[in-house]
Amino acid sequence: DMKVTQMPRYLIKRMGENVLLECGQDMSHETMYWYRQDPGLGLQLIYISYDVDSNSEGDIPKGYRVSRKKREHFSLILDSAKTNQTSVYFCASSSLGGGDTGQLYFGEGSKLTVL
Amino acid sequence: QQKVQQSPESLSVPEGGMASLNCTSSDRNFQYFWWYRQHSGEGPKALMSIFSDGDKKEGRFTAHLNKASLHVSLHIRDSQPSDSALYFCAASESNYAQGLTFGLGTRVSVFP
Repeated sequence: DMKVTQMPRYLIKRMGENVLLECGQDMSHETMYWYRQDPGLGLQLIYISYDVDSNSEGDIPKGYRVSRKKREHFSLILDSAKTNQTSVYFCASSSLGGGDTGQLYFGEGSKLTVL
Repeated sequence: QQKVQQSPESLSVPEGGMASLNCTSSDRNFQYFWWYRQHSGEGPKALMSIFSDGDKKEGRFTAHLNKASLHVSLHIRDSQPSDSALYFCAASESNYAQGLTFGLGTRVSVFP
């Protein structure tokens, strides 16, 4: 069905609480990503995962960690959330193929508010 | 410095009119470009890619790439209200998605 599903869509947490954002895809894509989107800052890459247990830091990994135990599932974890982590988080996936087949497929986003 | 720069920041276009968006890369290694579109409350969706010099047309959308100047443009012909969205330019060193760097986006508003 070519879909990336994110849960939860909306989340409110207090500073210092742990946060788990989950992402699933049904396309058997090897590569998955976590981005955050903030006004005026565009899309910033947090982590990239090339396959199960093969994860690399993106441009802004500080304060985040990820877990990928199954190819179709990729989690973003915030240990002790901070107010500046309030943002909209997007998960994406892509196949290994280049060209038009290498496009990113994004989920609908998870809006996190840290109070 | 932002490696992928987009202009203008925002654009208002009458329904049926032409919208023109610009994107320039400051990194000479970025030779492959994508346009993504994001409607409010949704995730970005790939609109089209362009990897070779010249024009690429898909329906009402035409992208133009000049590799010498690392400039790519997107033209939306016969703009529709459904074209109102945030448009991102993204560039990479290869035609694989893993190395994409996004610009800050151009917000397009189509008014009746």
